[in-house]
Amino acid sequence: GQNIDQPTEMTATEGAIVQINCTYQTSGFNGLFWYQQHAGEAPTFLSYNVLDGLEEKGRFSSFLSRSKGYSYLLLKELQMKDSASYLCAVMDSNYQLIWGAGTKLIIKP
Amino acid sequence: GAVVSQHPSRVICKSGTSVKIECRSLDFQATTMFWYRQFPKQSLMLMATSNEGSKATYEQGVEKDKFLINHASLTLSTLTVTSAHPEDSSFYICSARGTSDQGEQFFGPGTRLTVL
Repeated sequence: GQNIDQPTEMTATEGAIVQINCTYQTSGFNGLFWYQQHAGEAPTFLSYNVLDGLEEKGRFSSFLSRSKGYSYLLLKELQMKDSASYLCAVMDSNYQLIWGAGTKLIIKP
Repeated sequence: GAVVSQHPSRVICKSGTSVKIECRSLDFQATTMFWYRQFPKQSLMLMATSNEGSKATYEQGVEKDKFLINHASLTLSTLTVTSAHPEDSSFYICSARGTSDQGEQFFGPGTRLTVL
């Protein structure tokens, strides 16, 4: 079966760095997405990785290792507004998105 | 960037009534639209995939006669929850993808449905 695993909840301090991991087992791979979702709102796109390596975009970076079925989202200089759920999703061979359950990130002052 | 709108944003209805939710891609043509449902503190659950001009493909366990999907144009898809019941209360989110199969999905803002 297809499976996306990520931690349920993480806590970090304002100004610090946090890494959210995602491991996956899917039938085929056409890229991995990270989305941010604030409570009561729809997800917003953060990053897309299809090749191995690190993609940096401002305070957020995303890493992919296809051989290991592993990705992480790195958030630097954490701000209170970064408190949200972070969803990992993999596009399978049918170009369907397989969603993880999301990681709730709590930022403390 | 690509914008997807959803209407209404919130709806409260009585049990047994039907509710229609619209999803529009405002600045691009969406060949494929997706309908998700999300219960509190849970991840997105794909309900169905619709391609313009053809019947929607429903995920296992989703009743196609209860959740009617119409994708009549490249910019509009509708989800109708028929004979709604309190257990249908949820956050319904649509997303749209452009002409490239490998393109990202752009999400609408979601519709909060409460069935009394």
